[in-house]
Amino acid sequence: EVQLVESGGGLVKPGGSLRLSCVVSGFTFSNYSMNWVRQAPGKGLEWVSSISSSGTYIFYTDSLKGRFSISRDNPRNSLYLQMNSLRAEDTAIYYCARSRSFDFWGQGTLVTVSS
Amino acid sequence: IVMTQSPLSLPVTPGEPASISCRSSLSLLHSNGNNYLHWYLQKPGQSPQLLIYLGSNRASGVPDRFSGSGSGTDFTLTISRVEADDVGVYYCMQALQTPQIAFGPGTKVVIK
Repeated sequence: EVQLVESGGGLVKPGGSLRLSCVVSGFTFSNYSMNWVRQAPGKGLEWVSSISSSGTYIFYTDSLKGRFSISRDNPRNSLYLQMNSLRAEDTAIYYCARSRSFDFWGQGTLVTVSS
Repeated sequence: IVMTQSPLSLPVTPGEPASISCRSSLSLLHSNGNNYLHWYLQKPGQSPQLLIYLGSNRASGVPDRFSGSGSGTDFTLTISRVEADDVGVYYCMQALQTPQIAFGPGTKVVIK
């Protein structure tokens, strides 16, 4: 069974940092590109970042302006999102999703940026 | 790429058909013949789930009452006979241009 489990969310002050993790099981992680998607409270889905299966190719939504960094550790079946200089508008549920078609999603982890 | 959906809210009657339109500001048709347009359903309180990939292919386990059609810039998701379990928000997403992956605003389906 394919599973994706996010963790690392929480309450952080503006300007702070967080590192999200997504641990997967049930498939060969190193064969798939991976993605982060976020959803602000009561809002729609927003693509954040994608990384190729080997980690060679990395893409971000333009609005992040270099504050976030995606990475992966294939032997550990893990995907990461390092988030720096956090702002109130980064408050959202963050989902990891598998493959270019986003065919499987995790349950999400809530990030709240507030003083 | 800008994605638009209509309607944004769709009251439906169980047993009746329903359709949602999705439009892209640029063609999503790749030279390989695939349309890089996917459809997702986010049921209340749940994560999104893939319904249709590459414009018209049902994802594994998706009931055959769901179908996708269209090409280029205009796409449609059709539910042949709506069931109560189909309520939620439906999103289209373009995946042709990876640095600019974009979701539509979502269409909220509710039971009349």
